[in-house]
Amino acid sequence: DAKTTQPTSMDCAEGRAANLPCNHSTISGNEYVYWYRQIHSQGPQYIIHGLKNNETNEMASLIITEDRKSSTLILPHATLRDTAVYYCIASGNTPLVFGKGTRLSVIA
Amino acid sequence: DSGVTQTPKHLITATGQRVTLRCSPRSGDLSVYWYQQSLDQGLQFLIQYYNGEERAKGNILERFSAQQFPDLHSELNLSSLELGDSALYFCASSAQGENEKLFFGSGTQLSVL
Repeated sequence: DAKTTQPTSMDCAEGRAANLPCNHSTISGNEYVYWYRQIHSQGPQYIIHGLKNNETNEMASLIITEDRKSSTLILPHATLRDTAVYYCIASGNTPLVFGKGTRLSVIA
Repeated sequence: DSGVTQTPKHLITATGQRVTLRCSPRSGDLSVYWYQQSLDQGLQFLIQYYNGEERAKGNILERFSAQQFPDLHSELNLSSLELGDSALYFCASSAQGENEKLFFGSGTQLSVL
């Protein structure tokens, strides 16, 4: 799996969009970008994934640059319940390897 | 609710003992994964089973073993426990063909005293 780099922590005001960046400059052509989050000590939760096109679901949007070397997870209207550690993973057909992620704090 | 059930939620035991953690995957999911999360190591992949067969192995100690039964539930056995084995142990499952879209259980908190 390609290595990913994420900021250690970020803050976001409640109701604003949270934009979480991820760098994966060594990603290979068959590797997808996956985003998970972990709220406190709960099990990680799948958010979204994509290969090269932008993706949107009920939780978030995923924007992948054209060269696929980086991506951004967008939570359009962050709430206090979105406070969590967010993991960006670049993976082929192998078990996911979680890094340290970004600790997002949503502030009232 | 992810649909993945882990028991027990909490387990307290002593060094040198053996414990078994149990996981029931989502209905229809054939793959089961085990992860360990400790404060200093983060989330570490231990092992994956697919339809009863070991599929992939990660950083799993020789003192640990796992299996997946015909009804697809899985058990993680931890033996000769050490203080450093204290951690959250998560089980996850995935549907066929969606190996990276994992659904995690709520975990078993193991405390070795």
